[in-house]
Amino acid sequence: DQQVKQNSPSLSVQEGRISILNCDYTNSMFDYFLWYKKYPAEGPTFLISISSIKDKNEDGRFTVFLNKSAKHLSLHIVPSQPGDSAVYFCAASAQSGGSNYKLTFGKGTLLTVNP
Amino acid sequence: DAGVTQSPTHLIKTRGQQVTLRCSPISGHKSVSWYQQVLGQGPQFIFQYYEKEERGRGNFPDRFSARQFPNYSSELNVNALLLGDSALYLCASSLNPTSGYQQFFGPGTRLTVL
Repeated sequence: DQQVKQNSPSLSVQEGRISILNCDYTNSMFDYFLWYKKYPAEGPTFLISISSIKDKNEDGRFTVFLNKSAKHLSLHIVPSQPGDSAVYFCAASAQSGGSNYKLTFGKGTLLTVNP
Repeated sequence: DAGVTQSPTHLIKTRGQQVTLRCSPISGHKSVSWYQQVLGQGPQFIFQYYEKEERGRGNFPDRFSARQFPNYSSELNVNALLLGDSALYLCASSLNPTSGYQQFFGPGTRLTVL
């Protein structure tokens, strides 16, 4: 059973426009949500995160929105740049066993920003 | 400062063989986690270690084992390799398990099992 779902395998946008990547989750115990970006032949790079007690977090061009009642979060990139083209993973964290924070990932969304 | 490093970069093995993957965390980080990423999927949690002790284990068979050394580096061992073990193996480090939500990943080791 997939606890973190990214239902769009790919997204294509024009340079300068907004990119919106979506993520749904099922586990109400998740208390922290993260977005990672991954280029080919590299490991995932941390992008932005949000605690479950907040509904918005902003960092430059990147904003993450959390809707706890809908168990949904989204990543907005404004304006989109060709260098943003990568696979974006949504991940969630929940304390388990008292001291372990494992990350549960979605399958990823391939974002392509066209010049 | 150096990030998380992993070795080797690529590895080709045959079914039934054993493999050892290595990871060095960011300086000052004491917790290391291992993830498996198969093609088309997101990374899946295998193990977390802190202060040389296993703090968490994902849904993987006993053929998978790991350990952490006094310098906080870590090894992941996989015995009796199967074709389905072919994947990118990622190591991530964090300051400690309770700050594990902010994990920093290495470039990964690409394992191919023939």
